Amino acid sequence: QSALTQPRSVSGAPGQSVTISCTGTRSTVGGYNYVSWYQQHPGKAPKLMIYDVSKRPSEVPDRFSGSKSGNTASLTISGLQAEDEADYYCCSYAGNSTRVFGGGTKLTVL
Amino acid sequence: QVQLQESGPGLVKPSETLSLTCTVSGGSISNYYWSWIRQPPGKGLEWIGYIYYSGITRYNPSLKSRVTISGDTSKNQFSLKLRSMTAADTAVYYCARHIAAVGHEAFDIWGLGTMVTVSS
Repeated sequence: QSALTQPRSVSGAPGQSVTISCTGTRSTVGGYNYVSWYQQHPGKAPKLMIYDVSKRPSEVPDRFSGSKSGNTASLTISGLQAEDEADYYCCSYAGNSTRVFGGGTKLTVL
Repeated sequence: QVQLQESGPGLVKPSETLSLTCTVSGGSISNYYWSWIRQPPGKGLEWIGYIYYSGITRYNPSLKSRVTISGDTSKNQFSLKLRSMTAADTAVYYCARHIAAVGHEAFDIWGLGTMVTVSS
């Protein structure tokens, strides 16, 4: 059981928006603005998509955005494209120099 | 650009020690943190620990008793040792550059990963 809870799967049609949640506690997501999101295609290494809750690396499309409210962080993908189909993982600082990941969410583009 | 490459045995016997090395090319390991992360087949990611180029280390409490991460700035490499391996340690092991500065936190560059199977 992961320290951060994510839905096992979400889906959306091309062009639509989807949001993936990542729920932790005051000791993880709620306590720090250090949530990051990773995209992983089958058989590939994870790729950083969002860091520090809502910052986006320059190479990541602006269709990807992050936010946080209380103990829950969210990744929103707008204008869904076929290549967005992948697994997505959240990660949070958890105090005492430790980090924890969510269990992952499979995004299906219908 | 910076690239990371894991190397090590793909098969380890139960109770033995896993040794993996991550070679960093296209940049120096100095002034950064470097992490190991693993992923059991069909499962999620697990942070194992990190090393700062100065030698400071931090480990996942669940693995702390079995893990050692070390670095070699002269070779631009850092390494993982995981003792007393069991089938539950079967996973793809990734090395990653870890941004861990005040106000910033992310694993921004990842290696391709190496599959390690624990079996007799």
